[in-house]
Amino acid sequence: DIQMTQSPSSLSASVGDRVTITCRASQGISNYLAWYQQKPGKVPKVLIYAASTLQSGVPSRFSGSGSGTDFTLTISSLQPEDVATYYCQKYNSAPLTFGGGTKVEVK
Amino acid sequence: EVQVVETGGGLIQPGGSLRLSCAASGFIVSSNYMSWVRQAPGKGLEWVSVIYNGGSTSYADSVKGRFTISRDTSKNTLSLHMSSLRVEDTAIYYCARVDTGWDWGQGTLVTVSP
Repeated sequence: DIQMTQSPSSLSASVGDRVTITCRASQGISNYLAWYQQKPGKVPKVLIYAASTLQSGVPSRFSGSGSGTDFTLTISSLQPEDVATYYCQKYNSAPLTFGGGTKVEVK
Repeated sequence: EVQVVETGGGLIQPGGSLRLSCAASGFIVSSNYMSWVRQAPGKGLEWVSVIYNGGSTSYADSVKGRFTISRDTSKNTLSLHMSSLRVEDTAIYYCARVDTGWDWGQGTLVTVSP
């Protein structure tokens, strides 16, 4: 099975900072990669799918890139409301594995 | 408006069985990839099972042979039948549409405890 490795597992940044989270697949998955945001006590919400397509209604400060095995989620200017845990998920074929998550905090 | 609502969670003893249901509106369950995802208390997201629009199914190794995913076309619902439940199956279970829409329900809590 393909493993999904996210890094870092947590980070703390200041408001306005550029934040980058990476997700690495152990084998190529083309662009079948989604990014989710889960705020404390809330349901996960998709931000990006197909590696780089922004879900409707998601602020443009979020962006995704990558293909094959290496993917990136970028928050161009971190806002207080972005405090959350972020997950990647592969969906090219089962198992639809999630990454371990990245907890983002604001300094 | 798209809506996904899970029901059926509760407290169950180890070894017991439980059936979760997911009622969808605003889209056709059988035309989509539908998945169950769970989240144990304080832990990350764990994919559980998927049923594709063609009807094929797949399961995480942790639930294979114990859980069964199915759908009812007439009711536009998705189900997860869980048997031989273990304490480690305790989690919030989410029903989710994958690959299009990306709609999730609010989840239903399953607690497996003696």
